[in-house]
Amino acid sequence: DIQMTQSPSFLSASVGERVTIACRASQSISKNLNWYQQKPGKAPKLLIYATSSLQSGVPSRFSGVGSGTEFTLTISSLQPEDFATYYCQQSYGSRTFGQGTKVEIK
Amino acid sequence: QITLKESGPTLVKPTQTLTLTCTFSGFSLTTSGVGVGWIRQPPGKTLEWLGLIYWNDDQRYSPSLKSRLTITKDTSKSQVVLTMTNMDPGDTATYYCARDYGDYDNYFDHWGQGTLVTVS
Repeated sequence: DIQMTQSPSFLSASVGERVTIACRASQSISKNLNWYQQKPGKAPKLLIYATSSLQSGVPSRFSGVGSGTEFTLTISSLQPEDFATYYCQQSYGSRTFGQGTKVEIK
Repeated sequence: QITLKESGPTLVKPTQTLTLTCTFSGFSLTTSGVGVGWIRQPPGKTLEWLGLIYWNDDQRYSPSLKSRLTITKDTSKSQVVLTMTNMDPGDTATYYCARDYGDYDNYFDHWGQGTLVTVS
């Protein structure tokens, strides 16, 4: 079973800041890594698939890189609507989610 | 427009079997590469993948829950059904269904609103 570990679990940032969230897989997952954003009381929303492909309608300030076991999600300039919890998810074999990173206002 | 919606009981008793239905529109579960998955989220906790069913009826389950889960589909009704046996208070969660899409780099691109199931 592939385990996904995100870091940090929580981060506090200001509007306009550059934010990076890391995700590590317990074994190589090639580029089968997706990122989701979830706001309270809402279903997750797909941001990035296959490591670096931006889902339609998602702002270009979101970007993803990585391969193998190490991946990152970057928000180039944090906006008020970006304060949420972010999850990585692998689809190499079955499906597994990371534990989440909550981004709060500093 | 693609939509998914979960339906089923909001309250179940311990040891009972939970049956949830995902009714979808805007896509077909007979199209190659398409699947529907189930994901749950206990209050205040992270997302947990439960399982999924593909267009070709192939099913995949979380290893930790495999013995308790069954996922079936009815393509004529555009529905996918999740059955989970022997429910426990620890299974209290919001249950989501989502479309699993992609030929190789699969992802959940459309989600239902979720339904809260309480076990008590």
